[in-house]
Amino acid sequence: SQQGEEDPQALSIQEGENATMNCSYKTSINNLQWYRQNSGRGLVHLILIRSNEREKHSGRLRVTLDTSKKSSSLLITASRAADTASYFCATVPISGGYNKLIFGAGTRLAVHP
Amino acid sequence: DGGITQSPKYLFRKEGQNVTLSCEQNLNHDAMYWYRQDPGQGLRLIYYSQIVNDFQKGDIAEGYSVSREKKESFPLTVTSAQKNPTAFYLCASSMGAFNEKLFFGSGTQLSVL
Repeated sequence: SQQGEEDPQALSIQEGENATMNCSYKTSINNLQWYRQNSGRGLVHLILIRSNEREKHSGRLRVTLDTSKKSSSLLITASRAADTASYFCATVPISGGYNKLIFGAGTRLAVHP
Repeated sequence: DGGITQSPKYLFRKEGQNVTLSCEQNLNHDAMYWYRQDPGQGLRLIYYSQIVNDFQKGDIAEGYSVSREKKESFPLTVTSAQKNPTAFYLCASSMGAFNEKLFFGSGTQLSVL
């Protein structure tokens, strides 16, 4: 079963605009990670936020985590055509018997020049 | 350059045939993983290994087998028992802290003839 669910499933914006993607999850987590995947390629790690953190920044990326609402958001500022990709959140649940990373279905982002 | 190498990039399987996907890493990571990705979906964990000569089933292990004889290598065999093998297969690795940042290979697209 999927732990994380991204919203929206697809997002289309113009270059220079900001893109916001959301992720909701069901059980308590150790950490939450965001990954990027270009079409037909492997995933690339973007950022990891731990359960005791509320916000992290990396370049044009800003990630927030609200453990009370079991949700996270990824903001990409001043988007570029090269940001076109699928973005996945992944969580490490605290419970479950073994430690594993569970991925959502992703948000497909299209940035138009 | 350090990284994870998957081969081949494309693979075709005939009815009743076993095929093996290669995954090699030179990052000196202890943990390695195999994920399956179907179109428009997230990643599902097939098998993972935290140490040489040890591996555990993930969520969808039926029809697959793995070995971990060397730290650098974690090959995946798709057996004839896997009735719906067409998918994009991704190998990943992480440092000793299980399920911290994952590094991914570029993937193998497996199709059935």
